[in-house]
Amino acid sequence: DAGITQSPRHKVTETGTPVTLRCHQTENHRYMYWYRQDPGHGLRLIHYSYGVKDTDKGEVSDGYSVSRSKTEDFLLTLESATSSQTSVYFCAIRESGQINYGYTFGSGTRLTVV
Amino acid sequence: GESVGLHLPTLSVQEGDNSIINCAYSNSASDYFIWYKQESGKGPQFIIDIRSNMDKRQGQRVTVLLNKTVKHLSLQIAATQPGDSAVYFCAENSGYSTLTFGKGTMLLVSP
Repeated sequence: DAGITQSPRHKVTETGTPVTLRCHQTENHRYMYWYRQDPGHGLRLIHYSYGVKDTDKGEVSDGYSVSRSKTEDFLLTLESATSSQTSVYFCAIRESGQINYGYTFGSGTRLTVV
Repeated sequence: GESVGLHLPTLSVQEGDNSIINCAYSNSASDYFIWYKQESGKGPQFIIDIRSNMDKRQGQRVTVLLNKTVKHLSLQIAATQPGDSAVYFCAENSGYSTLTFGKGTMLLVSP
């Protein structure tokens, strides 16, 4: 999907274990985002990054942390997974600048916490 | 797990009909709006966008209309095809480098 890759695509993990999801881009875009998608809630922003080591919280950030040590990688970590974090996670990227605010999304990671 | 399509409003049309999908947005200060299409098992894909200084924008078989007075956005798809079956989301940029998404509408196209 236009130079954005998420891994893994599927994961099943146990409650209380740490989990890290990876988003990798080859577009050299400044902005990167993590969303979760749940039935009845649509896409909700977890965290986003506006540059290397520059991150900020979204509306559903509790229980999640992120890191961006390189332009191309944005990691989402669930420190201690809970069943409420079972969801589909999408990473998105966008160019900086004023003309086009549209995102390009990855294919998603389906996470199940049992 | 559950499909993202559950709990969504659904629009069912016949192939060849025109489809209109509506969206109410929340922030009167939003200056940019986008429609996305999401097929089952895939990430959302950009369809068309519009800035707040416009009322209408056309693409290939799609038109977006913006009514700022009532904070309403619509997506019109002409000559709807089975391949148009998907969930459609509107999104608004409220000026903080992030987009806020609507909950989506499922479009079902029958042959």
